[in-house]
Amino acid sequence: ELKVEQNPLFLSMQEGKNYTIYCNYSTTSDRLYWYRQDPGKSLESLFVLLSNGAVKQEGRLMASLDTKARLSTLHITAAVHDLSATYFCAVDGDLSGGGADGLTFGKGTHLIIQP
Amino acid sequence: DAGVTQSPTHLIKTRGQQVTLRCSPKSGHDTVSWYQQALGQGPQFIFQYYEEEERQRGNFPDRFSGHQFPNYSSELNVNALLLGDSALYLCASSLQVFPYNEQFFGPGTRLTVL
Repeated sequence: ELKVEQNPLFLSMQEGKNYTIYCNYSTTSDRLYWYRQDPGKSLESLFVLLSNGAVKQEGRLMASLDTKARLSTLHITAAVHDLSATYFCAVDGDLSGGGADGLTFGKGTHLIIQP
Repeated sequence: DAGVTQSPTHLIKTRGQQVTLRCSPKSGHDTVSWYQQALGQGPQFIFQYYEEEERQRGNFPDRFSGHQFPNYSSELNVNALLLGDSALYLCASSLQVFPYNEQFFGPGTRLTVL
């Protein structure tokens, strides 16, 4: 059974600080996704990481993937209040490479950034 | 370009009833996946439809069934509702282009079972 574990599950930090969210997964899949969810809202796609060593950056967020360690990180640089949200990582179970499959999500990291 | 749309937005049902939720995928997408998100949890995969057939299924009972239409829109049906079925139901669409499996989510349907 594919398992995805995130930590921490809850994070409160001050504006201007840096922090990292970790995502470990149990399969050999090399496709990992990061999503953001605001309270009462749907999921917004942030990053798609498709290969070992992949690194993507958007604004103050940077995501990376180490498929050998089965680990992805989401790094927040100089946090601002607008980044407060719940962040999910997800892995798909498609080991055949044939196409789209259902995603397995972590429990999410609830991030609060204090002004 | 319209994104993923879902209807209704909210729904209240009683135990034992049946419910149908609807989803229209993002323009150009051919695959629809359904997820259940309980409060404070990550979404859980229910099933995925492609070419009008159920392609993959998560760990959900047969009370959960679905359908995909020729225009790629989809329905999720839940029979014999239980209190534990109360959740946000999310539809996601994607395009079958390897290696990409980026799924775009709709706004969700909030189902409350009393």
